[in-house]
Amino acid sequence: DSGVTQTPKHLITATGQRVTLRCSPRSGDLSVYWYQQSLDQGLQFLIQYYNGEERAKGNILERFSAQQFPDLHSELNLSSLELGDSALYFCASSPSTVNTGELFFGEGSRLTVL
Amino acid sequence: GDSVTQMEGPVTLSEEAFLTINCTYTATGYPSLFWYVQYPGEGLQLLLKATKADDKGSNKGFEATYRKETTSFHLEKGSVQVSDSAVYFCALGLNEKLTFGTGTRLTIIP
Repeated sequence: DSGVTQTPKHLITATGQRVTLRCSPRSGDLSVYWYQQSLDQGLQFLIQYYNGEERAKGNILERFSAQQFPDLHSELNLSSLELGDSALYFCASSPSTVNTGELFFGEGSRLTVL
Repeated sequence: GDSVTQMEGPVTLSEEAFLTINCTYTATGYPSLFWYVQYPGEGLQLLLKATKADDKGSNKGFEATYRKETTSFHLEKGSVQVSDSAVYFCALGLNEKLTFGTGTRLTIIP
């Protein structure tokens, strides 16, 4: 158990819909990262927050947004969903930066868009 | 941009065989290097890391050495077990980002 909690574990929805994925980081970790894992794209970095502020941005679509709340949990919002958004979305946390530290991953939220 | 290239899978080996999974990187600075492992149905977990050139990371019998001259961080294990079956990801950490390779699926046959 990494200490990172993600909900929901599975989600099935239709194209055009909007969903919210939630992540609770390990106790004391200030950084939260979101990754998308799909069969054809591998593991893609989406976005990072540190203590409530956006710190780094990766290949995140404009239809996607995220935020980190004062209690440090984070939400990833996916809107106008397309079939290609079907993937496993991972949240990870760390106490500081990845330059020297490790990330602790949750078990992921599997999104299926029909 | 920063990138990681790792050996394509899948890789299938017999128990007790020697394992090498190749990983090379391209980076604009001086990254930290990691190997993560993903067991079926689970999230990724750190296997080992190295933060500077010539460092050797090791864990659970796995080893990898940070080679700056060849920009490589190859994963090795002398004698694999069935329980090592998983997907292995090489990654580099730089400028607040962790960039992953595409992953190598390893299957060990008894």
